[in-house]
Amino acid sequence: AQKVTQAQTEISVVEKEDVTLDCVYETRDTTYYLFWYKQPPSGELVFLIRRNSFDEQNEISGRYSWNFQKSTSSFNFTITASQVVDSAVYFCALTRYNFNKFYFGSGTKLNVKP
Amino acid sequence: GAGVSQSPRYKVAKRGQDVALRCDPISGHVSLFWYQQALGQGPEFLTYFQNEAQLDKSGLPSDRFFAERPEGSVSTLKIQRTQQEDSAVYLCASSLRETSTDTQYFGPGTRLTVL
Repeated sequence: AQKVTQAQTEISVVEKEDVTLDCVYETRDTTYYLFWYKQPPSGELVFLIRRNSFDEQNEISGRYSWNFQKSTSSFNFTITASQVVDSAVYFCALTRYNFNKFYFGSGTKLNVKP
Repeated sequence: GAGVSQSPRYKVAKRGQDVALRCDPISGHVSLFWYQQALGQGPEFLTYFQNEAQLDKSGLPSDRFFAERPEGSVSTLKIQRTQQEDSAVYLCASSLRETSTDTQYFGPGTRLTVL
C-alpha cells in the first residue's frame, strides 16, 4: 500500500526563522516520484518540486531546499529565512510508476508571523 | 499561459439535488484528474482521463458520482442526489503527457456545500 505521512499538523514560526516540514512515505515500488505542493488560502495547489526515486541528490531553489533520504523513506522540505508569504498548507505526494493517482499526505499548515 | 480553471468556484446544493462541476485543463494537456479534498485533509483521487478515455475511476465513492471528458479537453464531474458527506472541495488537475509521473497542475477547486 502507498501512504504519505505528514506528522506535523501545524507549525508557527516568526519571520526569518528556518523551518523544516517532514514527509515520510511508504511504498514497495522501486520506481516512484515524490512531490511537494503549496496550497495558499486561495486554494490552488502550486507545484514546488518533483523528484524520482533514483535521484537522492538534495535540491536547493532559492530559500527552499529538499532532503530526500531513501534509507528513512523521507522527503523533507526546508524553508530558510521564512517570510509571511510562505504561510500556506504544504502537501507532500507520492506517485507510482505506471499508476496515475497521486497519494497525498494530510498537509502541514505553516503560519509565519511578522 | 492560462492555468487550469474550474467553475463554479462555490456551489451550495440542497440535499438530493444534482450538481455539475466543470474543469478546463491547460490547453494541450492529455491527462486530467479529479480529486476530492475534505476540510483539513489532503486531496483524495477520484478519477483519471487520458484524452477522452476514463482509464481509472477507482476513487469515485459511489455510483452517484460520474465524470466525463467527451472531446478530450473540458471535463465535468457530476454528483447525483447529493448528500451532506459530499461537501468538500473538488480539485481538477491536468498534466501534459500520459506519463503517470508527470507533474500535475491544479485548478482553484470548487467548494461544494450540501445543506
